[in-house]
Amino acid sequence: GENVEQHPSTLSVQEGDSAVIKCTYSDSASNYFPWYKQELGKGPQLIIDIRSNVGEKKDQRIAVTLNKTAKHFSLHITETQPEDSAVYFCAASWTRANNLFFGTGTRLTVIP
Amino acid sequence: GAGVSQSPSNKVTEKGKDVELRCDPISGHTALYWYRQSLGQGLEFLIYFQGNSAPDKSGLPSDRFSAERTGGSVSTLTIQRTQQEDSAVYLCASSPRSNSGRAGSTDTQYFGPGTRLTVL
Repeated sequence: GENVEQHPSTLSVQEGDSAVIKCTYSDSASNYFPWYKQELGKGPQLIIDIRSNVGEKKDQRIAVTLNKTAKHFSLHITETQPEDSAVYFCAASWTRANNLFFGTGTRLTVIP
Repeated sequence: GAGVSQSPSNKVTEKGKDVELRCDPISGHTALYWYRQSLGQGLEFLIYFQGNSAPDKSGLPSDRFSAERTGGSVSTLTIQRTQQEDSAVYLCASSPRSNSGRAGSTDTQYFGPGTRLTVL
């Protein structure tokens, strides 16, 4: 089955700096890569996703890049704000899969 | 509209007791998923329901775990004879339709707030 690895496990940045979280996956059949943000006491919320037919996707301060050859994808948050502090999870899946395969999460702390 | 809801939000039980966790998916969503999140870990898939099809139970860790989905809507996850290692946050998610049958497409999963289970 699919195996998703995520790094780093914790990340602290100064407000206004950029944050980058990286994930690798093992199954070349994977073609869907969502990123979720989980705040304390809440369920994960989708913040951005990318499919295998594109290499990069942006939504305001958030961007995701995908390298299918190397089987890795990354989340980039620019101009970080304290409210970006949360745990971020990457995931991978493929068409007709019945579930998402998650990384172990990155705890991001943005220092005011 | 209303999101995925789960109840109870917290459940404390004694080892050996049975527990039931409930999930109300987003109205109209045909696919429903259960995941388990242990402390400091990622989400572990448990079970998947799609319409009237037989559920995918491949993620259930033991025969003490079971789930039902009545009328294609509300789902209940039951853990029998709970053990301390069952302590975790149990998350439910729903999506508009299954991943199968739409080539090249995978639907977004919307998560509920979870039920924190503590087995003493």
